[in-house]
Amino acid sequence: NAGVTQTPKFQVLKTGQSMTLQCAQDMNHNSMYWYRQDPGMGLRLIYYSASEGTTDKGEVPNGYNVSRLNKREFSLRLESAAPSQTSVYFCASSIDRNTEAFFGQGTRLTVV
Amino acid sequence: QKEVEQNSGPLSVPEGAIASLNCTYSDRGSQSFFWYRQYSGKSPELIMFIYSNGDKEDGRFTAQLNKASQYVSLLIRDSQPSDSATYLCAVGPDTGRRALTFGSGTRLQVQP
Repeated sequence: NAGVTQTPKFQVLKTGQSMTLQCAQDMNHNSMYWYRQDPGMGLRLIYYSASEGTTDKGEVPNGYNVSRLNKREFSLRLESAAPSQTSVYFCASSIDRNTEAFFGQGTRLTVV
Repeated sequence: QKEVEQNSGPLSVPEGAIASLNCTYSDRGSQSFFWYRQYSGKSPELIMFIYSNGDKEDGRFTAQLNKASQYVSLLIRDSQPSDSATYLCAVGPDTGRRALTFGSGTRLQVQP
């Protein structure tokens, strides 16, 4: 049972480049999330999807877009990467927004 | 005021002692509370959740919740060096928020 799978695990981008972080879960969860984690700041919510076809902004959505492709997959896109987006990105999923979330292994992104 | 506050630590305890980790939250409407453990370079993993006032025990871990004081804690009995990690407190959403809100974490060091 894979749980939540994220790709890639590591990525280096140049300022202005674009990329998409992929996330898939096999737990039949309804809700999926993208968080970023920076030193001393904990996990901050970027975007949230309550169910297939719906997405909502979180605490720090600027510079990002998301797509809930189907119930399993939730992708995060950086259209024009900036050094401020250097961070560790975690995808997570849960049955619904009030239940425990399970995390992927993370993507360590560096923007130079 | 941050929505979820934790002392960043490090909290240092000797092996075999009880480690006490604390968390306060600002939103009285929150109904679900979670503790995650995160080893350096890894993703958060769920330790416990608690929904009702009082204590909830699971092995060496006890979660305590006091909604009137907006306080949740985690006790780790018989602490082991392998418990050395960052512990994240997470609070479930009320009607206005969409996902778990995390504290910045407390780093625990268990000294052999």
